This record gives sequence, C-alpha cells and structure tokens, in this order.
Amino acid sequence: GAGVSQSPRYKVAKRGQDVALRCDPISGHVSLFWYQQALGQGPEFLTYFQNEAQLDKSGLPSDRFFAERPEGSVSTLKIQRTQQEDSAVYLCASSLIGRPNEQFFGPGTRLTVL
Amino acid sequence: AQTVTQSQPEMSVQEAETVTLSCTYDTSESDYYLFWYKQPPSRQMILVIRQEAYKQQNATENRFSVNFQKAAKSFSLKISDSQLGDAAMYFCAYRSGGGGTSYGKLTFGQGTILTVHP
Repeated sequence: GAGVSQSPRYKVAKRGQDVALRCDPISGHVSLFWYQQALGQGPEFLTYFQNEAQLDKSGLPSDRFFAERPEGSVSTLKIQRTQQEDSAVYLCASSLIGRPNEQFFGPGTRLTVL
Repeated sequence: AQTVTQSQPEMSVQEAETVTLSCTYDTSESDYYLFWYKQPPSRQMILVIRQEAYKQQNATENRFSVNFQKAAKSFSLKISDSQLGDAAMYFCAYRSGGGGTSYGKLTFGQGTILTVHP
C-alpha cells in the first residue's frame, strides 16, 4: 500500500484479555517504531525494530507488552492481561534505513480496556 | 533524558491570521533534530516542518516557519494565513542526532490544540 496501515482501527477488550495489534509498514522500510499515545497526550516511544531485530525496547511499560517483527516487515504489538491503564492509541511509524527524520505514521489503533 | 514542553494546551486563531505555537526542550546534546507534527482528528500524524540543530537558518515550508533559538532551547512554530484545514493537535518533537539503539526515537511534547475560526 501507499502508506503505513494498522489494524484493527479500534479494539475493545475486557480487563485481563490479551490483544494483538498489527502494523504494516511501507514496503522497503527497514525501521519500524511503536508509540503509545494516552488521551490528550503526546505519543511516547515503546520500541524500535531494524528489520527483524528489536534494537530498543526501553519504552515498553511492563513485561505484559511484547512486540515482534519476525520477517522484518509486518510487526505485531501484543499486550497480555490488559489493564485499564493500557487504554490508549497505539501508533506505528516506519522509515527507510538512514532516514530517521522521515518517519511515516499509521492511523493508529485505539485500544479501550473496560 | 531529553524533555519537550509545550506550555499552551489550546490556541485559537481567526482564518487568514497568524498564530505562533511555543515549544521548549531540554537536552545536553549538541547534535539533534526538532520537528513539528500535525495530528488531525483522523489521528494520522503528519510532519509539518523539521529543523536541524546545526543549521542557524530557520526552516520554512510555505505558510509554516519556525523560530529556532538554540541557546534558549526554544522552537516555536508560526502559521501564517491560517486556514480551516490547519485545525488540529500540534506536537513538537525531538530526535537525538547520535546513533545507537535509540536511533530514530522521537520524544514528543504534550501537544497544543489549534482551533481556527472562520
């Protein structure tokens, strides 16, 4: 596709459920980033991949959060045993290698945990 | 750690007039990049303008320009001839110029909601 796509756009989960959020980066984009955006706040960095390698996961808030990109393309952010404080928009961004200033963002997935 | 602060939660402007959004940041680094992003209700984050810290000249993109004051660690965005389509949440962001495992990581401010009145 022409841009970064994310699915689902909206997800409602009951507290304690596991969820999986998908990101399809722009074809050929080696770098992939996940951000968490709480309501009315700026995005906060979660994790960074270069191809299939997860080079930085310093922003993941707890061990309930797990991200993978097994083939260096599509990435999945998994949240286990969701809690109400996990409610947020999860944004994915991608860029070409060597072009970190040109990150293209997806539309995000709005997660609501009841 | 770097921090980015936007002290104006909300701003408003009349169509065709000029508005300035403020941003300050804190860093001990000398090599870095600053950005302004626009996020409309659709949530798609769109890059508005970028400034390299090593450049003294302020960046300009059509109706959008910045006032970069490196010593004061200030980075404001000026929108001229405001249009209804400019209404959105605006975020200031910082990226370290160094490499390493955090390559590309953006640090965002809290955002400013801009309303444009017809």
